[in-house]
Amino acid sequence: ELKVEQNPLFLSMQEGKNYTIYCNYSTTSDRLYWYRQDPGKSLESLFVLLSNGAVKQEGRLMASLDTKARLSTLHITAAVHDLSATYFCAVDGYGQNFVFGPGTRLSVLP
Amino acid sequence: SAVISQKPSRDICQRGTSLTIQCQVDSQVTMMFWYRQQPGQSLTLIATANQGSEATYESGFVIDKFPISRPNLTFSTLTVSNMSPEDSSIYLCSVRTSGSFEQFFGPGTRLTVL
Repeated sequence: ELKVEQNPLFLSMQEGKNYTIYCNYSTTSDRLYWYRQDPGKSLESLFVLLSNGAVKQEGRLMASLDTKARLSTLHITAAVHDLSATYFCAVDGYGQNFVFGPGTRLSVLP
Repeated sequence: SAVISQKPSRDICQRGTSLTIQCQVDSQVTMMFWYRQQPGQSLTLIATANQGSEATYESGFVIDKFPISRPNLTFSTLTVSNMSPEDSSIYLCSVRTSGSFEQFFGPGTRLTVL
């Protein structure tokens, strides 16, 4: 059974600081996705990582995938308040549908 | 990407009643899914809505409680039957388009059962 974990579950950080959210999964997969959810809103797709070593960047966010370690990271550079949200990773296992991690609730403080 | 709409956006229902949620996509999509997100929790897949045939349910979800229809490639409904307060959640429709691995999510339906 595919399981997805995220670390940390809650993150409070100051504006201007850097931090990394980790996503671990339990079985082989080459496809990993990052989503953002604002309170009371639906999920917004951030990154789609489709191969080992994939790295994608958008603004202050950068995501990477290491399929051998079954690990993806979401790195936040010089955080700003607008990045406050819950971030989910999801893994697309072979022959399985998406399995979501528990989410990381990020709060960026001034 | 695909533009997805859901109706209703929110509802407050009485225990024992049923609610049907509609999901409409602006283009034909290969796969449609229904998720539940309980307050403060992650997303759990309820079922895959199959066009022209019975939905495929995940463990812990049954057709009698969550009947699903998908009459064509752009529309699906999820019914939450005989509701109890434990059914209070956000219900999200998502789609996957042909040739893409990505999933896009609708705006969600926030259900409160009293």
